[in-house]
Amino acid sequence: GESVGLHLPTLSVQEGDNSIINCAYSNSASDYFIWYKQESGKGPQFIIDIRSNMDKRQGQRVTVLLNKTVKHLSLQIAATQPGDSAVYFCAERDGNQFYFGTGTSLTVIP
Amino acid sequence: DAGITQSPRYKITETGRQVTLMCHQTWSHSYMFWYRQDLGHGLRLIYYSAAADITDKGEVPDGYVVSRSKTENFPLTLESATRSQTSVYFCASKDRGMRDTEAFFGQGTRLTVV
Repeated sequence: GESVGLHLPTLSVQEGDNSIINCAYSNSASDYFIWYKQESGKGPQFIIDIRSNMDKRQGQRVTVLLNKTVKHLSLQIAATQPGDSAVYFCAERDGNQFYFGTGTSLTVIP
Repeated sequence: DAGITQSPRYKITETGRQVTLMCHQTWSHSYMFWYRQDLGHGLRLIYYSAAADITDKGEVPDGYVVSRSKTENFPLTLESATRSQTSVYFCASKDRGMRDTEAFFGQGTRLTVV
């Protein structure tokens, strides 16, 4: 089966600092990746995506980096805010199937 | 209210009982999905449906049954609940032509099987 995992289960950052959340994937055939944010008691929300033919994609305060050589995906959040506190997880797509990572819990310290 | 809603939000049931989790969306989206979310596993697809009366198995379908008699509803039934089915269940929907990233998730149902 697929294996999508996160290096760190928890991350604490000071408000205003940058956050980096990492994700390792195992399927080199995966062609599309998504980062989700999930707040406590809520369903996942899309943050940003990237196709396998790209190395980097930027959104508002977020950047996703893809390193296909080492099958690694990262999410960078600039100027982290208290509202960014949540669980973040990645997903990879292989064909019609998505496989989801286990999540990293981000806590922003005011 | 417009959106995707799951009911109940919380459910405790006994081993061996049948339980149905409801999912309702108001957009008439073609696709609907059921996932379970467990610590250490991330979201896993149980079943999905591309349209009314069309359903397909996902990654972990065993022990679950779905139906899609109406476009807006996609109930998930555990025919004989087991403790291993204790989980948080999420329903999602998206329409044809929508990107996967545009799928909307419900708020989840926390099911405990005792």
